[in-house]
Amino acid sequence: NAGVTQTPKFQVLKTGQSMTLQCAQDMNHEYMSWYRQDPGMGLRLIHYSVGAGITDQGEVPNGYNVSRSTTEDFPLRLLSAAPSQTSVYFCASSTTGRRAYEQYFGPGTRLTVT
Amino acid sequence: DAKTTQPTSMDCAEGRAANLPCNHSTISGNEYVYWYRQIHSQGPQYIIHGLKNNETNEMASLIITEDRKSSTLILPHATLRDTAVYYCIVRDRSGGSYIPTFGRGTSLIVHP
Repeated sequence: NAGVTQTPKFQVLKTGQSMTLQCAQDMNHEYMSWYRQDPGMGLRLIHYSVGAGITDQGEVPNGYNVSRSTTEDFPLRLLSAAPSQTSVYFCASSTTGRRAYEQYFGPGTRLTVT
Repeated sequence: DAKTTQPTSMDCAEGRAANLPCNHSTISGNEYVYWYRQIHSQGPQYIIHGLKNNETNEMASLIITEDRKSSTLILPHATLRDTAVYYCIVRDRSGGSYIPTFGRGTSLIVHP
């Protein structure tokens, strides 16, 4: 199993550009989520999904879109990048029920917006 | 979910036990306590969880007080690779909360 994979590892964008951060998991997990982590801070939940076709907002959803067309993939779209979105982005997945909080995290995407 | 309070930072000598406290005084009877850690530049890693009994696995032990208002994560023989930020989270067992939210955690430094 590859677990949770994220691409790209690093990205530099100019203000106003759009892009998609990719996340995939091969563990057949129902739950997937996106977090951002700013320097010296904890993780903040952006969006999450409890299954294909179902998404919901987390703590900091503004400026981001998600979709979940398959169980495996959960891409995060930045609509119009802003310097405030400079951060490290982590994708995570987990199974349902009692083990939903036992999340598996990807290695992260380091995004800089200039 | 109940809020948690953790010290900002701690340090420990290599080979000694690292005891990381977490206060969750508003925890309710159906909330589990979860622990994660995040080694620098990596994604967080699940460690252990418990409800009211003490738990142990290959990574750590979790001690929950009888009133469940606090818990301690114990790394019995800390190594330099245990230097990380440790997060304590509580979760409603009824399943209403699907995805954990993370606070600032405790930065543990293990020194030689």
